[in-house]
Amino acid sequence: QSALTQPASVSGSPGQSITISCTGTSSDVGSFNLVSWHQQHPGKAPKVIIYEVSKRPSGVSDRFSGSKSGNTASLTISGLQAEDEADYYCWSYAGRSTVVFGGGTKVTVL
Amino acid sequence: QLQLQESGPGLVKPPETLSLTCTVSGGSIRRTSYYWGWIRQPPGKGLEWIGNIYYSGTTYYNPSLKSRVTISLDMSKNQFSLKLSSVTATDTAVYYCARMLPGSYYFDSWGPGTLVTVSS
Repeated sequence: QSALTQPASVSGSPGQSITISCTGTSSDVGSFNLVSWHQQHPGKAPKVIIYEVSKRPSGVSDRFSGSKSGNTASLTISGLQAEDEADYYCWSYAGRSTVVFGGGTKVTVL
Repeated sequence: QLQLQESGPGLVKPPETLSLTCTVSGGSIRRTSYYWGWIRQPPGKGLEWIGNIYYSGTTYYNPSLKSRVTISLDMSKNQFSLKLSSVTATDTAVYYCARMLPGSYYFDSWGPGTLVTVSS
């Protein structure tokens, strides 16, 4: 059960849009529409911002959007704000009631 | 509102067993069909799923940790627990307990986390 692959870091200026990729395999991301994204600020517990590829929980800004193509899922943050500076983790259902996480992406707002 | 809180020793000696408890308040783990899980995060590193337990008691573990992990429920105390045996320094991490929604397979409620250091 290998971790999903994410870029180590992504940066952007306020107001810009950025996209974080999350690459898995045909056994996880490619087989199920059960990809989630979590945001984690330093010293805090993760918080889900996207689930089931593209759904947003109540209270999450619509500046966050998710998509999937084949074995790769993506998180897009539009209208980047200072408060978006955090670590972002993708994860996917991997069958047999197991899940697998991505390695995390640090987002820096320039 | 559901709240989860991890508790247990902050220091464990190798090769002893790490034991943590998650106390759930604001909801009963007995009456709802959720998964209850453990996730850990070594200092400065990414998240790692350890395992889940379904409200029925069925367990699911990360294959890389399966031989050392036991997750159990205590319905009478509204708690669930983690035991990780034969620990080494690589098991040093912040340990989180969380609730997972079946069908969607994401953790919607998390505890604040507790740091466990493995050192002699």
